[in-house]
Amino acid sequence: DQQVKQNSPSLSVQEGRISILNCDYTNSMFDYFLWYKKYPAEGPTFLISISSIKDKNEDGRFTVFLNKSAKHLSLHIVPSQPGDSAVYFCAASREGSQGNLIFGKGTKLSVKP
Amino acid sequence: GAGVSQSPRYKVAKRGQDVALRCDPISGHVSLFWYQQALGQGPEFLTYFQNEAQLDKSGLPSDRFFAERPEGSVSTLKIQRTQQEDSAVYLCASSTLPGQGPYNSPLHFGNGTRLTVT
Repeated sequence: DQQVKQNSPSLSVQEGRISILNCDYTNSMFDYFLWYKKYPAEGPTFLISISSIKDKNEDGRFTVFLNKSAKHLSLHIVPSQPGDSAVYFCAASREGSQGNLIFGKGTKLSVKP
Repeated sequence: GAGVSQSPRYKVAKRGQDVALRCDPISGHVSLFWYQQALGQGPEFLTYFQNEAQLDKSGLPSDRFFAERPEGSVSTLKIQRTQQEDSAVYLCASSTLPGQGPYNSPLHFGNGTRLTVT
């Protein structure tokens, strides 16, 4: 039973437009959420995170929004660039879990020039 | 090197063979994690070390899987009597501090070892 769900396996966006990647979770004990980006044949790379005490965190072109009541978070990339094309994983952890991250299955983003 | 290093990058094993996968974490990183990523899935937690102590091995799928980090730096994941379902990418990650939270550093992943069991 998946605790972190990314229901869109893929997303295609035009360069310069906004990319919105979605993630839902079921465990209300999760208190920290992260997005990782993964290129083929490489390990995941940390992108941005958000604590459950916040509803928004922004870092340059990347913004993560958290809606705790809906158990939903989203990653916005604006403007999207071809180099953003990768698989994006949503991950969650709960206090005291010592870093045991629960990952979604990922969304493959393609940004077309 | 500056990042997490894993070796070998690719490993092909015949069913029933034992394999050993190596991870060199970032120097000075206290925490070390092993994850398993099957095709089309996200990484799944296997085990966690804080220095040389294995604090969580709840994700190891069977007693054929064994991990160690004897001196608190390099770690080895050993799989005995490999089965086809063990085929996956095995990812190692390290971080500077224990746990994940607003004030702790995120996990830094290596490029993984792709294990194929035939």
